[in-house]
Amino acid sequence: TQLLEQSPQFLSIQEGENLTVYCNSSSVFSSLQWYRQEPGEGPVLLVTVVTGGEVKKLKRLTFQFGDARKDSSLHITAAQPGDTGLYLCAGESGGNQFYFGTGTSLTVIP
Amino acid sequence: DAGITQSPRHKVTETGTPVTLRCHQTENHRYMYWYRQDPGHGLRLIHYSYGVKDTDKGEVSDGYSVSRSKTEDFLLTLESATSSQTSVYFCAIGYTGGSEAFFGQGTRLTVV
Repeated sequence: TQLLEQSPQFLSIQEGENLTVYCNSSSVFSSLQWYRQEPGEGPVLLVTVVTGGEVKKLKRLTFQFGDARKDSSLHITAAQPGDTGLYLCAGESGGNQFYFGTGTSLTVIP
Repeated sequence: DAGITQSPRHKVTETGTPVTLRCHQTENHRYMYWYRQDPGHGLRLIHYSYGVKDTDKGEVSDGYSVSRSKTEDFLLTLESATSSQTSVYFCAIGYTGGSEAFFGQGTRLTVV
């Protein structure tokens, strides 16, 4: 099992604040994905990063893949209540399997 | 939204009974996956398929079997349900093994 640890596990912030979620592993991944999941629904892909050091932006969300391709971060600027959800990272190491992190549950309070 | 449907959406069953969950896709994707999601464990892969009749085990495959006789259908069977298999089960599809996965809405299974 290729363990992906996410931190923090829970995060509750006020609307307008910034936050960063981390996804760390001792394994190297050929690609890493971030998903957001809302209650009662399946996860939905936000972004895929494949190159060490890669940075991708999706509106107020910034994703970074570590240089060694073992870790990633998700930064949200000026969080909004619509950002509330469970954020999951998932790493793929070339074996047609994605290993998911344990998730970060984000609550943005209006 | 990707055309992926899981059935049933909710099920309560007794310990020791067999249970089959169905995943149906209309996207003609080659890869199909079954995951379970439990608090504190995230999503864990049970089995996956890379084509008709081609399947492989994931990290938590004990007690589960799968079958894929048609591109569009991927069945997950709990051979003899146990309380530890109470979970939310998600099916996902993907065009290739390393591509974006589209998830179904999940099946909440309770084993009593």
